[in-house]
Parts: sequence; structure tokens; C-alpha cells
Amino acid sequence: GDSVTQMEGPVTLSEEAFLTINCTYTATGYPSLFWYVQYPGEGLQLLLKATKADDKGSNKGFEATYRKETTSFHLEKGSVQVSDSAVYFCALRGTASYDKVIFGPGTSLSVIP
Amino acid sequence: DGGITQSPKYLFRKEGQNVTLSCEQNLNHDAMYWYRQDPGQGLRLIYYSQIVNDFQKGDIAEGYSVSREKKESFPLTVTSAQKNPTAFYLCASSTQAGETQYFGPGTRLLVL
Repeated sequence: GDSVTQMEGPVTLSEEAFLTINCTYTATGYPSLFWYVQYPGEGLQLLLKATKADDKGSNKGFEATYRKETTSFHLEKGSVQVSDSAVYFCALRGTASYDKVIFGPGTSLSVIP
Repeated sequence: DGGITQSPKYLFRKEGQNVTLSCEQNLNHDAMYWYRQDPGQGLRLIYYSQIVNDFQKGDIAEGYSVSREKKESFPLTVTSAQKNPTAFYLCASSTQAGETQYFGPGTRLLVL
């Protein structure tokens, strides 16, 4: 079945460092891919998404490119801030499980001043 | 403002007790979802509903029940059959099943 794998955390970075959180997926066809963010004690918010191969989703300085050849959707940001400290979830909507979104386990990010 | 509300923020359950978590949305979304989140883990789907008066089991439905009598409301009951209910419960909605989901602030359930 469809699944999502993320790099294990927690990840700790200094302010202004470069961020990469790896995400790979298993799915048939061309799933839609998402990154959600969860700030402490809150629900999840959509950060960005991509619906077809080679699409780049971007928002708030974060970017991720849909790579069909490597089945990946890595999240990147050039310069993180303390306010980016949160848990990041990679997710997909598969063509087989079209009515559900499959979430990865989440990666916790802490940014220190 | 449109959004999803969940209540209460914290809920305490005694042994053998059923408790109901509220989820309301005014986004006019057809689909609604319930997830369970345990510390350090991802989201697991409990139940989802694509339309009023219809719902499907997710991956961990045992010990839970839902109803969808109104488009705006999707309450979750944690029954006494759920032996390990302590978790953070998240409700979400989307325009259609599988589309971008909008989440509520969550309810933290604790067992006394």
C-alpha cells in the first residue's frame, strides 16, 4: 500500500542554518504530495503541496520539489528562524487511496538562537 | 472567520466511561476526519466521512464510534472498549476526500 518515510528527528539547527528534511514515498501512479507543519500544542497546517512530477511547492521560504524518478519530496529552507521550530509531516494522497491522506511519522525541528 | 473548532481542549476520562469529543466546521466542507496522535508518532486515521450520514473506518477504529448527522459536525466517541485512550485527537476537514485538509486545534484526552 501507499506509504511515506521521513528522516528521523529530532533535528536541531542554529538560526540561519540551511534545512533539509528528507521524505520518500511509495505509491502507484502519480500521488499528490504535501508538507504539513504542527506548532507546539496545535493542529496541523498545510505548508506546501505539489500535484505532479517536477512541480515545486513553496511557502514562507520553504520549498519542496516532486521528484518522480527518486520518489522524493524533500523539504528545504535556506535560512531557518527560531519561529520555524515545529514538527513537519510529509504526506501523500495516492491514486489507490484517493479518499485518504497518508502521513509520515513527522520530524521535529528545533532552531536555537 | 471560517475554521474548525474542537472542544474541549482537555478531557478526562474515568475507567469504563464513554466520552465524546466535539468537532465543528463552518468551511462548508464535505469530508471530515478524526486522527489520533501519540507522543513522537505520526497521525493515525480513526474514522472519516465523505458525506453526511456516511462514514468509513480508518486504520484504528476499534473502541471508537462516530456520527455524521450534519455537514458541520463530526463527533467522536471514545468508548470504554478503547483500553489505551490517552492521546491527542485531531479533527480535520476538506472540500472533498483526499484534498488538502484543514485541522482543528486538537483535544488532549487523559485517563484518570
